[in-house]
Formats: sequence, structure tokens, C-alpha cells
Amino acid sequence: GAGVSQSPSNKVTEKGKDVELRCDPISGHTALYWYRQRLGQGLEFLIYFQGNSAPDKSGLPSDRFSAERTGESVSTLTIQRTQQEDSAVYLCASSPRLAGGPRIDNEQFFGPGTRLTVL
Amino acid sequence: AQSVTQLDSHVSVSEGTPVLLRCNYSSSYSPSLFWYVQHPNKGLQLLLKYTSAATLVKGINGFEAEFKKSETSFHLTKPSAHMSDAAEYFCVVSVSRDKLSFGAGTTVTVRA
Repeated sequence: GAGVSQSPSNKVTEKGKDVELRCDPISGHTALYWYRQRLGQGLEFLIYFQGNSAPDKSGLPSDRFSAERTGESVSTLTIQRTQQEDSAVYLCASSPRLAGGPRIDNEQFFGPGTRLTVL
Repeated sequence: AQSVTQLDSHVSVSEGTPVLLRCNYSSSYSPSLFWYVQHPNKGLQLLLKYTSAATLVKGINGFEAEFKKSETSFHLTKPSAHMSDAAEYFCVVSVSRDKLSFGAGTTVTVRA
């Protein structure tokens, strides 16, 4: 079946411009995550959506970053007034919400990422 | 709070020899632990996961990992490396019901 898709795959922009990144999760997955991966580093959590609950925005690095999700479908990550330090690969992942006890196997399914370069 | 440390940023092995990727975690309770692999120009893929069942976990592509609570470790191993194992590997700990914390990654190169 179709996996998580992201667009564009590459984005080059000038400092100060706004950019919008798109994520299409796996159909039926209620949870959606955005991560940032800087060169040579691990993934940095940005934001998490779960169904109709308020998103967990605790990882957003500044107020220039925002994200929206329509229901349980597409999500967009917007970066306003981009800076050179925003250059990174932005990864989206989705996962099904599993019922159960306190331990949940929350495997996340990742998209290929959007490589953002801010000149 | 939970965090994860991958002890090697790069590992180079010869094809057919064992692979060992080291991971230590810190946690205030027994966490769920994962290893993800990222091949060049591809998305991350789950290799295996530990969720308080058997401490020796078998994953895809011949990989396995052992959870050692006394050592707070979750090292990843494979008896015989293949060229296709060249990738970046991330050790991951579950920090809440739905949130993961990723290690910095270990790049594996396989020499012919």
C-alpha cells in the first residue's frame, strides 16, 4: 500500500522567505509527527498531532515554525522568515493509534523527507 | 526524563564479519526501545523494538538486540554483515505514550 509521502523532496529558498512543506500520512493513521534532521545529527521532534486533540507543539524551535493538520489527513509545516540554521531534512511520520495498556507499540512510518536549503 | 546515547558515530566492518552498534539509554522507568535504519535517500524503517517482553529481540534482515536493564543498554548486532547493511542506524527510546527520542545515529560502512 501507499506509504507516507512528502513534498517537495527538495526546496531551496532565500533567507527571509516563507516555505511550506507537505505531508500525506498513511490512510487511517491517526497520529502524525514532524521531525527535523540536521546534517550528522539525530531526529529532533517538532510537533505531534493525534486525531482531533490539541497538537503537542513542545518541539517547535521558535514562533516562526507552525503546522496544521486537516482532520486525520494532510499536514503542512510552515517556516516563516527562513534562516540559514533552518537548513535540514524535515521528516514526517504517521502511526496508528493502538488501544491498550500503558505500553504501546507506537511504530512510526516515515516519509522520505524534504531537504530544505536556505541560502 | 529519557535519553539515548549511541556510542559510535561511525562503524566500519568487512562483509561477512559481525556488526555491533552500541546504545545506552537513561530512563526513570522501563522504556520501550527501538532501532530504526535509514538507507540513503530512503525513509526510516523500523528494524526491531523492545516493549518489556523477551529481552532478546529479533528484527528484520538478521539483526537482533538485547535489552540489559542492569547496564541500561540496547546494543544492536548482526552475525554477518552484508553490503546492503550500509546505512545509518538510530537507537530510539519512547519518552511518552506517543513520543520518541532519537539518538544521534551510527553510520555503518561495509567493506567488500
